Amino acid sequence: AQSVSQHNHHVILSEAASLELGCNYSYGGTVNLFWYVQYPGQHLQLLLKYFSGDPLVKGIKGFEAEFIKSKFSFNLRKPSVQWSDTAEYFCAVNSFNSGGSNYKLTFGKGTLLTVNP
Amino acid sequence: SAVISQKPSRDICQRGTSLTIQCQVDSQVTMMFWYRQQPGQSLTLIATANQGSEATYESGFVIDKFPISRPNLTFSTLTVSNMSPEDSSIYLCSVGPGMGTQYFGPGTRLLVL
Repeated sequence: AQSVSQHNHHVILSEAASLELGCNYSYGGTVNLFWYVQYPGQHLQLLLKYFSGDPLVKGIKGFEAEFIKSKFSFNLRKPSVQWSDTAEYFCAVNSFNSGGSNYKLTFGKGTLLTVNP
Repeated sequence: SAVISQKPSRDICQRGTSLTIQCQVDSQVTMMFWYRQQPGQSLTLIATANQGSEATYESGFVIDKFPISRPNLTFSTLTVSNMSPEDSSIYLCSVGPGMGTQYFGPGTRLLVL
């Protein structure tokens, strides 16, 4: 069964600091990869996704993530965080099986990011 | 993206009772899902709500405990039956255009006493 690991439970940064949140998954086949974000009091929403092609994907609000297949990783980055980036970030994986059921998302436990002004 | 609403937004229930959570989407969607997010845990898929047929449950979840209805392409309900404190959680509805991308509702916070 596939699994997703997010290494940091809680990250605290000051504004303008650089951010990198780790995500590793375990699955040997084809995967789609996602980062979702939940801002305080808001819905879980899609931040960015990787399906194929350029392994460096850009999302909303200046976020980007790099898919490194050899490391089974999909780390999220932002060069300069803002106070408004305070949120919980979830990495998720969608895998393809032979039966064609490609809808299931497996989530990591999430990383709470606190950005201090 | 779809706009999803859930009712109730939160509830406090007594042990042994049942609660039905509603999920409404502003457009017709093929795939609808129900997740649970327990305190300090990740989102876990409970089941896929299939329109016109029985829901597809994930390992560890059964229909008797979490009956699901999907009468049309914009609406679904999840019932949490015979509740215990271990059922205290956030329950989320999501819809998917496919390929894993999903849009989530605001969630229902359930506390069972």
